[in-house]
Amino acid sequence: AQSVTQLDSQVPVFEEAPVELRCNYSSSVSVYLFWYVQYPNQGLQLLLKYLSGSTLVESINGFEAEFNKSQTSFHLRKPSVHISDTAEYFCAVSRTGFQKLVFGTGTRLLVSP
Amino acid sequence: GAGVSQSPSNKVTEKGKDVELRCDPISGHTALYWYRQSLGQGLEFLIYFQGNSAPDKSGLPSDRFSAERTGGSVSTLTIQRTQQEDSAVYLCASSLIGAETQYFGPGTRLLVL
Repeated sequence: AQSVTQLDSQVPVFEEAPVELRCNYSSSVSVYLFWYVQYPNQGLQLLLKYLSGSTLVESINGFEAEFNKSQTSFHLRKPSVHISDTAEYFCAVSRTGFQKLVFGTGTRLLVSP
Repeated sequence: GAGVSQSPSNKVTEKGKDVELRCDPISGHTALYWYRQSLGQGLEFLIYFQGNSAPDKSGLPSDRFSAERTGGSVSTLTIQRTQQEDSAVYLCASSLIGAETQYFGPGTRLLVL
């Protein structure tokens, strides 16, 4: 079975500061990795995903995540955050070829002026 | 086109009553998923429909929970004899068969009094 650990339940940062949201996973088989974002009072939206190939993946709004197989990690980073990035971020994993998502507990990113 | 829609958006019910939650997937998406988001358990997989194959019900927490998908499109999640611990946001997602990206609806917030 797969599992996902997001150690930080909440990360407060100031606007324009860099941020890293940590995600570690456990699996005995190959996996796909995802970051989903949930803005206040909205549904889950896919932020970025790793399926294969380049281990560094990017989103259209400046986030990036790097798949590290040896450390079983998929940390999310942004060099300079905006107030509008305030949201809850969920890391998720699925077995390759199977589409059930296993989610972490989420990290609430709080960006203040 | 239109995204995944769910109804009702909010539901308040009394303990012991049955409830039905509805999901309309994105047109053309033949895979459909139900997840539950609760304070104590985070985001949990409930059930997965893939085309005409038998559904994966491995995430349903008890036999009070059931789901069906009519005509390969709309899905209904039914909770019988609701309990207070069933209070949660129930999320539906859909995807193309074989595609890794799931698109989530806004959810139904269920409160069992």
